[in-house]
Amino acid sequence: AQSVTQLDSQVPVFEEAPVELRCNYSSSVSVYLFWYVQYPNQGLQLLLKYLSGSTLVKGINGFEAEFNKSQTSFHLRKPSVHISDTAEYFCAVSVSGTASKLTFGTGTRLQVTL
Amino acid sequence: GAVVSQHPSRVICKSGTSVKIECRSLDFQATTMFWYRQFPKKSLMLMATSNEGSKATYEQGVEKDKFLINHASLTLSTLTVTSAHPEDSSFYICSALFPLAKNIQYFGAGTRLSVL
Repeated sequence: AQSVTQLDSQVPVFEEAPVELRCNYSSSVSVYLFWYVQYPNQGLQLLLKYLSGSTLVKGINGFEAEFNKSQTSFHLRKPSVHISDTAEYFCAVSVSGTASKLTFGTGTRLQVTL
Repeated sequence: GAVVSQHPSRVICKSGTSVKIECRSLDFQATTMFWYRQFPKKSLMLMATSNEGSKATYEQGVEKDKFLINHASLTLSTLTVTSAHPEDSSFYICSALFPLAKNIQYFGAGTRLSVL
């Protein structure tokens, strides 16, 4: 079975500052990794994904993430955040090579202030 | 624009009644859809996997007789909460597997269910 750990439940940051949201996973098999964003009372929007290839993945809205197999991590970064980035961010994992279900972390609330 | 449509976005019902939530894939056929439940300030919990033309696969601890799932067409899956009780109040979200990228799930906007 797979599991995902997002240690930070909340991350406060000032606008235009850089941010990193941490994600670690556990799996005995190869996995695909995803970051989703959820705005209040809305569903989830895919930010970026790692399936294979380059370990640095770029997504929408200026976000990027780096897959580190040795550290089993997939941290999300943005060099300069906006107020509009305030949302809940979920890291998720699925077994690679299959159209399998997602296992989500508990989420990180990114709060951007002026 | 949205590739998965979920309806209704919000529903309030009396205890004991049944509520149906629809999840539609727009512009693509989805043989597999998923239903999640999200508690306040919590992560998403997978309830069941919905496969077109066959019975849904429920996760452990989810009552299949209470949460009826029907995937009668390639673009529509429905979740019916039967005999709803206040403890069923939650945010329900569906997703659909995009056929051209089978590891990618696209999510609906969610349904806020409040049972009085």
